[in-house]
Amino acid sequence: AQTVTQSQPEMSVQEAETVTLSCTYDTSENNYYLFWYKQPPSRQMILVIRQEAYKQQNATENRFSVNFQKAAKSFSLKISDSQLGDTAMYFCAFISTGNQFYFGTGTSLTVIP
Amino acid sequence: GAGVSQSPSNKVTEKGKDVELRCDPISGHTALYWYRQRLGQGLEFLIYFQGNSAPDKSGLPSDRFSAERTGESVSTLTIQRTQQEDSAVYLCASSLGGRGETQYFGPGTRLLVL
Repeated sequence: AQTVTQSQPEMSVQEAETVTLSCTYDTSENNYYLFWYKQPPSRQMILVIRQEAYKQQNATENRFSVNFQKAAKSFSLKISDSQLGDTAMYFCAFISTGNQFYFGTGTSLTVIP
Repeated sequence: GAGVSQSPSNKVTEKGKDVELRCDPISGHTALYWYRQRLGQGLEFLIYFQGNSAPDKSGLPSDRFSAERTGESVSTLTIQRTQQEDSAVYLCASSLGGRGETQYFGPGTRLLVL
């Protein structure tokens, strides 16, 4: 079975600091995709970053980067220079060959001014 | 351009009634997904449409749930004989194509069953 685990229900970070959100997953597949989505209080889910499992290079998107460890099945998100607008729920997601998304339970991140 | 839209944004209904939720995907997106998000939880996959292929209904929790999509346009999710445990936010997403493509989410419909 495919599962996604986010072990940190809540986190906080000072503005301008760096924070890392953890995510592990379980799959027997070799080729897959991983995503981090952000859901602010407005409820709109927004893609933060996407990683293709066959690529060894970690994806980066401005202040957001991932540490993808395929053997360990780990996919953490690092947010650098945290901003107040980063306050949101962050969901890690895995997509299977059947095109089904499996989401973690989320990490609530609060950026403190 | 226009994003994914969903209507209504909020729906309150009585237990036992049927409800219909609507999703308008981004134009040109062949894939469409429905998810359920219960309070404080992650997303739960419900159903997936891809072009004219048979939909993947494996996530539907019971036969009270059904969804339709006409071609590559609007989709409706219907919940019959609603129960209180159906209360949740129902999210729709669309993507350009298949596996690995970024999904773009709508704002969701918050359903409350009294």
